[in-house]
Amino acid sequence: GAVVSQHPSWVICKSGTSVKIECRSLDFQATTMFWYRQFPKQSLMLMATSNEGSKATYEQGVEKDKFLINHASLTLSTLTVTSAHPEDSSFYICSARVGTLRQYFGPGTRLTVT
Amino acid sequence: DQQVKQNSPSLSVQEGRISILNCDYTNSMFDYFLWYKKYPAEGPTFLISISSIKDKNEDGRFTVFLNKSAKHLSLHIVPSQPGDSAVYFCAARAPGTSGSRLTFGEGTQLTVNP
Repeated sequence: GAVVSQHPSWVICKSGTSVKIECRSLDFQATTMFWYRQFPKQSLMLMATSNEGSKATYEQGVEKDKFLINHASLTLSTLTVTSAHPEDSSFYICSARVGTLRQYFGPGTRLTVT
Repeated sequence: DQQVKQNSPSLSVQEGRISILNCDYTNSMFDYFLWYKKYPAEGPTFLISISSIKDKNEDGRFTVFLNKSAKHLSLHIVPSQPGDSAVYFCAARAPGTSGSRLTFGEGTQLTVNP
């Protein structure tokens, strides 16, 4: 089946620093990847849609200058949280689309900003 | 505006019995509905989907029912097993949205007791 990996699985960083999270499709090519954020006991909130070779499409309320997304190849998308603050602490999950409907999710990255 | 809602945050059932997870939606334009299962600190995994033109889809122990007039869908798991204990998210897709964007409900924590 389609496998999506994320790296790192968890990261702790200091306030004001930047953190990069990688999302890779391991056995398939994905022209479209998605980045979600999940708070405890809440739904997955779509942050942005990442399209290979073009700019990401951000959801309303998501700061594109703070959450930088790059989708430079058909198997890799990265999310960089710039100048992180404690309120950015969350569980970040990526997914890759296969076909027109199914999304395969990565295992997620737990970010803690101190 | 929460277009997909799962009103029950938790459900507890006995092993071997039926689990019924419910989901309501407001957007009549949704054309596909999906159920995902999520374990702690992992990404969601796809379970089953249903097209809006159908009212039932079955896959092994999992059956999804769709009632379009009531804008309601449900996931039935029978017989329930302890390994089914997880958070279940329903998700819906609106046609024509770029990248097959999915809208998720808040999730229901299912606990199957041995």
